Amino acid sequence: DAKTTQPNSMESNEEEPVHLPCNHSTISGTDYIHWYRQLPSQGPEYVIHGLTSNVNNRMASLAIAEDRKSSTLILHRATLRDAAVYYCILRDRTGSGNTGKLIFGQGTTLQVKP
Amino acid sequence: NAGVTQTPKFQVLKTGQSMTLQCAQDMNHNSMYWYRQDPGMGLRLIYYSASEGTTDKGEVPNGYNVSRLNKREFSLRLESAAPSQTSVYFCASKKEGGVVGETQYFGPGTRLLVL
Repeated sequence: DAKTTQPNSMESNEEEPVHLPCNHSTISGTDYIHWYRQLPSQGPEYVIHGLTSNVNNRMASLAIAEDRKSSTLILHRATLRDAAVYYCILRDRTGSGNTGKLIFGQGTTLQVKP
Repeated sequence: NAGVTQTPKFQVLKTGQSMTLQCAQDMNHNSMYWYRQDPGMGLRLIYYSASEGTTDKGEVPNGYNVSRLNKREFSLRLESAAPSQTSVYFCASKKEGGVVGETQYFGPGTRLLVL
């Protein structure tokens, strides 16, 4: 599985947008970019995923660079409940890689200040 | 619809004791997974089951065994617990196939302390 690099921590003010970056310079053409987050003392939860085009859902937006070597998770208005560890994960959906395994890195710890 | 449930929520063991962590999902998912998370670290895959009747090793399988009892249940067994197995254990499940099916749903975790 290709590797991702994220900052260890970030801070944001409540009700301001947050941009969480992820570098994945070794991404392959069949890797999807997935984001999960883990709230304190809970299991991870799915946030969003994409392949090439930018994606939006009720939780967040995913902006993918044209060369796909980086992406950014955007929380449009951070709330205190968004304080969590955010994981950027690459998933290969082809061949033997499509077993659903997720390879977690250390993620980015987001602090939201009131 | 309870999603993914895990029992127990918390357990203390002495070195050498055995125990089984239980996981069940009610979403009719085919694939199930066991992860462990050590303090300050991301999750690491222990074992997974792509479908009922199959199991495969993940990154850190040593010291563990698993059983896919039926489509709903996937248990993790520690035969002889060691302090290095002190961790939080998460079970997850997902539908099989395609990008739509790649969302994993996680349980609340079991906190295990081995003395």
